[in-house]
Amino acid sequence: DQQVKQNSPSLSVQEGRISILNCDYTNSMFDYFLWYKKYPAEGPTFLISISSIKDKNEDGRFTVFLNKSAKHLSLHIVPSQPGDSAVYFCAADTGRRALTFGSGTRLQVQP
Amino acid sequence: EAGVAQSPRYKIIEKRQSVAFWCNPISGHATLYWYQQILGQGPKLLIQFQNNGVVDDSQLPKDRFSAERLKGVDSTLKIQPAKLEDSAVYLCASSFKGIWEQYFGPGTRLTVT
Repeated sequence: DQQVKQNSPSLSVQEGRISILNCDYTNSMFDYFLWYKKYPAEGPTFLISISSIKDKNEDGRFTVFLNKSAKHLSLHIVPSQPGDSAVYFCAADTGRRALTFGSGTRLQVQP
Repeated sequence: EAGVAQSPRYKIIEKRQSVAFWCNPISGHATLYWYQQILGQGPKLLIQFQNNGVVDDSQLPKDRFSAERLKGVDSTLKIQPAKLEDSAVYLCASSFKGIWEQYFGPGTRLTVT
């Protein structure tokens, strides 16, 4: 029972272009959403988050959009840089401060 | 600021053997988590501590897994006996009480043969 789904296992974009990573969820009790980035042999690192009372949150090159009616969120990276190449995990929480993660999307930014 | 420390980084054992992992969270972080990440999947929460008390261990296979957090700081996760399907990366994370953002350690990669 996957409550958080990332249906694209991989994504390849050109440097300077926009990267869009998608995430769908099924549990309507989720009220906080986070994106984590993971490099090989390292633990995930927090990137950006959004509360369910908002529909957009921006931090530099990273923007997260939340569509509650569609139970969908997306992470936009503009412009994409080669250093952004990593696995990106979407995570959600019901307020218990215990995260449910998606399976991840591997982003490759081509120079 | 020092991050979350974990050891060992890698461990190879045979099935039915026991293994233990250690985690030292970021100083001042009251909440500590253990996650299991199987290859190709996202991290799955095993257990959550608040100080030295268990908040959530609903996904911990208690017949073989155990965890403790003595004195509300360091934590150990033990598997006894190990099965082939326990091969995974075990991640420790910590956070300030009431804060969503969790900080992860580098993980321990366990291979059970």
